[in-house]
Amino acid sequence: IAGITQAPTSQILAAGRRMTLRCTQDMRHNAMYWYRQDLGLGLRLIHYSNTAGTTGKGEVPDGYSVSRANTDDFPLTLASAVPSQTSVYFCASSNRGWDEQFFGPGTRLTVL
Amino acid sequence: GQQLNQSPQSMFIQEGEDVSMNCTSSSIFNTWLWYKQEPGEGPVLLIALYKAGELTSNGRLTAQFGITRKDSFLNISASIPSDVGIYFCAGLLTGANSKLTFGKGITLSVRP
Repeated sequence: IAGITQAPTSQILAAGRRMTLRCTQDMRHNAMYWYRQDLGLGLRLIHYSNTAGTTGKGEVPDGYSVSRANTDDFPLTLASAVPSQTSVYFCASSNRGWDEQFFGPGTRLTVL
Repeated sequence: GQQLNQSPQSMFIQEGEDVSMNCTSSSIFNTWLWYKQEPGEGPVLLIALYKAGELTSNGRLTAQFGITRKDSFLNISASIPSDVGIYFCAGLLTGANSKLTFGKGITLSVRP
């Protein structure tokens, strides 16, 4: 089934640990995005990639890094997790620029 | 930065009623998008608007791109229980530093 997959579905993580959230799309979309969703704050962009080999910073990039080695995969890494990074993380992709983004099912991350 | 205002945070309606949601901004956009998020899932695009004054329908949903380019509304007619979810507006101003800006969302509850 075409779409975006994210892994893991949920994770509880000790503060200070390193964590990589995985995102894979099979729609051959050029652009991919990572958002975090927090209650009362909506969706906030962390990092994005307009095409394989390029990345950019979003609204809340601190504490996160991304890579885009190929078209399909866009992992998000927390080098040293902190409790404020507890959130639901959504990966998205698009083929027409920033509009019409397709979202994955999300990863619920809890940092203790 | 750009901010989108959606209020109220929650809406409660009776099945069969119509409901209208507004989204306003202090900045202009040249694309408006409306997304719906159901519990435990990622947002799904409902309607995209690309021209000021544009009125677009998708089944029982109708959305309009405000003539000032600073607002948009979404109307749901004859609501049904499966309309429950969080409705996000998003605005895009294309250009060198284009980013999609999301509102904080309105949680819609439909009483049977």
